[in-house]
This record gives sequence, C-alpha cells and structure tokens, in this order.
Amino acid sequence: GQQVMQIPQYQHVQEGEDFTTYCNSSTTLSNIQWYKQRPGGHPVFLIQLVKSGEVKKQKRLTFQFGEAKKNSSLHITATQTTDVGTYFCAGFTGTASKLTFGTGTRLQVTL
Amino acid sequence: DGGITQSPKYLFRKEGQNVTLSCEQNLNHDAMYWYRQDPGQGLRLIYYSQIVNDFQKGDIAEGYSVSREKKESFPLTVTSAQKNPTAFYLCASSINAYEQYFGPGTRLTVT
Repeated sequence: GQQVMQIPQYQHVQEGEDFTTYCNSSTTLSNIQWYKQRPGGHPVFLIQLVKSGEVKKQKRLTFQFGEAKKNSSLHITATQTTDVGTYFCAGFTGTASKLTFGTGTRLQVTL
Repeated sequence: DGGITQSPKYLFRKEGQNVTLSCEQNLNHDAMYWYRQDPGQGLRLIYYSQIVNDFQKGDIAEGYSVSREKKESFPLTVTSAQKNPTAFYLCASSINAYEQYFGPGTRLTVT
C-alpha cells in the first residue's frame, strides 16, 4: 500500500535557526497537505499543494511540492518557540478518497 | 460555534470490555474519519465514511466498528477483539478531499 515517510523524525534547534522537514511518498500523489500538531493537541491544517513544482509561502513557512508529485518539503525560516510541535504531511492518491499521513517530524525549539 | 466534538477526553476501561467513542460535527461535512495515534507515531486510518449509511475500512480496521446513521455523528466502537486498544483516538471531518478538521481527541487507556 501507499507509504509516506518523513525525515527527520525529530529535530532540536535554537530559536532563530532554520528548519526543514522532508516528505516522500511511495506513489504519485494528486495533492499533498501539511498539518501541525502542538504537544497534547490535535492536528491543524496548514496548507494544500496540488500542482507539480508548486511553492507556497505562509509568513516564515515555505511549502514545496516536487516535480514528480512524490515528495514535498516544509521549511521554516528563523524558528520561534511557537513553532514547537509535530509536522505531518498527508497525501491523496488519484483514486483513493482517504489521506495517508506521513510519519511526522517533531520540532523542538529552545531559546 | 461550529466544530467537531469528541467525548470523553479521557476514558479508562478494563480489558475485555467494548467501548464506544463519540464524534459529533456541526460543520455539515459529508466525510468523517477515525484515526489512531500511538505515542511518537503518525496517524493511522481506522474507518472513514463519505456519506450517511456508508463507510469503508481504513488501514487498521480490525477490532473496531463504526456506524453512520446521521450526517453529524460517527461513533467508533473499540471491541474486545482489538489487541492493543490503548491509544489517542482522533475524529475528523472534511468536504470532499480538502482539509480535514480534527476534534480534540479521546485518550483511551485499557488495563
């Protein structure tokens, strides 16, 4: 079945440093979504990418969808303590009507 | 105030007992989902429903059952056949294949 892996599993940065998480699917995706889950909370939708090579920005966050639509990345510039949490990618294949979530990257930010 | 509610927040049961987790939404979404999250892990799909009176198995449906008699409600029963039921259970809803809105989750502990 479809598998979605994320690396790294965990990253600890100093506030102000940049952070990137990478998402790789075993199959081509029709779209990819990103979610953030704060410690003890539930996932919250951040963004959806649909087009091959698409890049979207939300303030300090930059999301990219690969040309082959099998990988994606989330880059955070100048991290803040409010960025702490686990970031998940999630993808739809063309025929499935269900999301497959990635394994997640847990980000820890310290002063 | 629109959203998804799950109750209770914490649930404790003895091994061998069935337990039903509640999920209600007033977002008028057609699709609803149940996920399981284990510590430090991603989300795994248990069951999903795209329309009332219809539902499909996800990736880890064994030991679980659902019903979808009303658009607003999608209860999940964890049966005694589920070998490792202790987990964080998340319910979500969505319009078509777009962003999923998650409830606050139920932490189930079975001893």
